[in-house]
This record gives sequence, structure tokens and C-alpha cells, in this order.
Amino acid sequence: DTGVSQDPRHKITKRGQNVTFRCDPISEHNRLYWYRQTLGQGPEFLTYFQNEAQLEKSRLLSDRFSAERPKGSFSTLEIQRTEQGDSAMYLCASSLDPLLTPEQYFGPGTRLTVT
Amino acid sequence: AQSVTQLGSHVSVSEGALVLLRCNYSSSVPPYLFWYVQYPNQGLQLLLKYTTGATLVKGINGFEAEFKKSETSFHLTKPSAHMSDAAEYFCAVSPLSGGYNKLIFGAGTRLAVHP
Repeated sequence: DTGVSQDPRHKITKRGQNVTFRCDPISEHNRLYWYRQTLGQGPEFLTYFQNEAQLEKSRLLSDRFSAERPKGSFSTLEIQRTEQGDSAMYLCASSLDPLLTPEQYFGPGTRLTVT
Repeated sequence: AQSVTQLGSHVSVSEGALVLLRCNYSSSVPPYLFWYVQYPNQGLQLLLKYTTGATLVKGINGFEAEFKKSETSFHLTKPSAHMSDAAEYFCAVSPLSGGYNKLIFGAGTRLAVHP
């Protein structure tokens, strides 16, 4: 098992462009989470999937953000009409049923820079 | 609402000295508690966790933390700092409601270790 992977690792885009990030969780994990981390801050929860169902979205996730997890495997996070305030590290994490084991395993993140 | 406070955004210690990173949380019910470490341009790695049972938990790389319910604290310690411990450390709580564990992070403490 290679852990959680994210692609790309870095993305530079111009304001107003759309970007999409991908997360591949640990294969047997059915829970998947997206977090956003801005400079000097801890990660903030964005959204959560159990299998293919998106069960919670943070108020941080404006209508320009959309996340999917087709077939309950990999997940994508899309940001439309990017703004400079979207510049951040986007982290993906996965886990098993937290009632069994609560650890979340994080990927290396995608660093987005909006110019 | 749950929250996490990490006292001291920067901590500097000498190699071989005691490491103490402070974390206090607010929660109406005892949550799950975690410490994660983040090296530059990398994702988060779990150091240790508290769920139930023994209040002194041991983690990787010689770190340990003690859950003190009366003080709502979960401070991280290591008896002897090593240069490789220099990183950013995040304390997190999980309310474990709804069958999943959205992590709520503190702002982080950057640990510097000098010779």
C-alpha cells in the first residue's frame, strides 16, 4: 500500500481559471476528507465522503467548489473561477470506519497558487 | 463548537532538551485527540492519538502525550529533542458525531531545534 496520493503536487493558475485536483485514498478506506491549509494555519475541514456519498460540506466550500467521488474510489476537487484567496494547500485524507479506528491518513497535498 | 488552542506558535529548544508543546481543547464531551507532525511541503503524519483508556499515550519518534480531562489539555512531550524533530506540530480534536471524525485543528506550533 502506497498511502494517500494527490495530483498535482503544485498548481499555478491565473485568476478566473478552473482547476481540478485528484486524490487517491488508501484502497480499503471508505471515508475520504478534503481540508484546506493556508499559510501559518492548521488545516480546515472542507468536505467528507463515505463511499461515493458526500455527507457534509463546510461553509468554507463556496458554490465555486465542487467535489466528487465516483464509485467510491478516487476523489476530485474542482475550483471554478479561481480567486487569489483560494491560494492554499489542499489536503486529502482517508480513513476506515472511525468507530473502529479514528486515524486519518493524509496525502502530501496540492499547493495552489492563484496569480 | 469545539476548538483547539495551541499555546506558542514557535518553540525553540536545544538538542537534547525537553520538548513540551501545549494543546488545550474545548468540547462538551470528551473527544478523540490527536497530534500530527508536518515537515515542509509535506502532508501530515500521525504522531499519536487518544481515544479511551490510558491517559498517557505513546507515539512514534519518542513522543508522548497525556490527556487531562480536568484541564482539557493534551500536551505533547519528548524527553530529548533531536535535530530531526524540527517541524510543525498540530493538535486536533474529533467530535466523532454522525459516524465520522471531522478533525478540528489548532493553528500549529513550529518547533526549532538548535545545536
